[in-house]
Order: sequence, then C-alpha cells, then structure tokens
Amino acid sequence: DAGITQSPRYKITETGRQVTLMCHQTWSHSYMFWYRQDLGHGLRLIYYSAAADITDKGEVPDGYVVSRSKTENFPLTLESATRSQTSVYFCASTGELDTQYFGPGTRLTVL
Amino acid sequence: SQQGEEDPQALSIQEGENATMNCSYKTSINNLQWYRQNSGRGLVHLILIRSNEREKHSGRLRVTLDTSKKSSSLLITASRAADTASYFCATDPDNTDKLIFGTGTRLQVFP
Repeated sequence: DAGITQSPRYKITETGRQVTLMCHQTWSHSYMFWYRQDLGHGLRLIYYSAAADITDKGEVPDGYVVSRSKTENFPLTLESATRSQTSVYFCASTGELDTQYFGPGTRLTVL
Repeated sequence: SQQGEEDPQALSIQEGENATMNCSYKTSINNLQWYRQNSGRGLVHLILIRSNEREKHSGRLRVTLDTSKKSSSLLITASRAADTASYFCATDPDNTDKLIFGTGTRLQVFP
C-alpha cells in the first residue's frame, strides 16, 4: 500500500532500554522528519533527513539517534529511554508544494 | 520555540455554524500551511497559502494571510460533526522544508 507507515503503533518500555521506532514511506520522498507531540508543546521536530545518508538535528534531538541508509526508511532510536521521552512520535515526509504527509504515530510509554 | 500560535485554544460550536481559527507567527515566511488532526491520528494537510497570496479557498475552507500582521485565519463554513479535530498552522521560516507547528486549536462540533 502506498503511504507512510510507522511501527510499532504502541510500545511500552522501561527506563534505560534501547527502543527503535520504524518509519517507511513508499513515495520516494527526499525529505523525512521525526516529531514528538506532547500536551502543551504541540509538535516538536526531533530530526530530519534531506536524503539518504543526510540527517540533521531539529529542535529536540537529545537522547535520539537516526539513520537513513535507504530513501524509504527513517528509523528513530532512543539509545537509553527516559520517562521524559514518553510521548507520541510522528514520522512525516515532504511531497509536492512543501506539504508534509504524516504517519499514524507511535505511542511510546517509558516506565 | 513556537513559531505559530493558534487562537482560540479550544472552540465549541453547533453543526451548521462557521468556525474561525487564527494563527500568528513571528518571522517572515514563504508559505503557511494548515493541518487537521483527528484524535489519535496523524496530521493531514488541508491547505497551503503562499506569502504573495491573501486568500485561498478549498471546498468549505477559506484561508486568509496578512503578512503585515504576521497572521492567518482558517474559516470552516457550515461545519459538520466530522470537522471535530485539532487544527494546526505551520510555517517554514527558513525555507528549508522544516515546518514549525503551532500548539493548535481544538474544535468540537456538536450535532
């Protein structure tokens, strides 16, 4: 199916564990993004990527790592999860006319 | 930091009424976008207005942009219960495809 998908949709983990959130898009869009959404903060950009092997920090990158070996995939890794990283995470890619297409989100709880 | 601030934070109306949401931003922009987010879902792009445009329509949506006041408004005419969602404005102040989102307006439309 065409579109942008995220997995898992829900994840519960413990403090200190490594967690990887997956994002896959079928459009071959160059730009991809990771956001986190928290009450009172709206959406905040964590990392973005302009193309395969090109990534850069957003507003809140600390504690996160990204990679982009293939255009269609943009995984986000929490190297050592903390409770403050409990959030809903959205992946997005940019299509025509600067519009962004969002995945369904991953709800992450860190205990 | 938030580039866009939506007003009001929450809005409740009856079906058939019009809903108006406002967005103010801080820096010069090339375009401004509006997105909708249904509860538990990813954001969906609604409309984009460029800095040289003053008004744009798409179905029941009407967007205005006043660059002198650094503000935009989204009008939904003849609202329906299905319009119940959060609405976000977003700007790309650096023209780098990195969007900055506001904190959103929660719209509730009662049947």
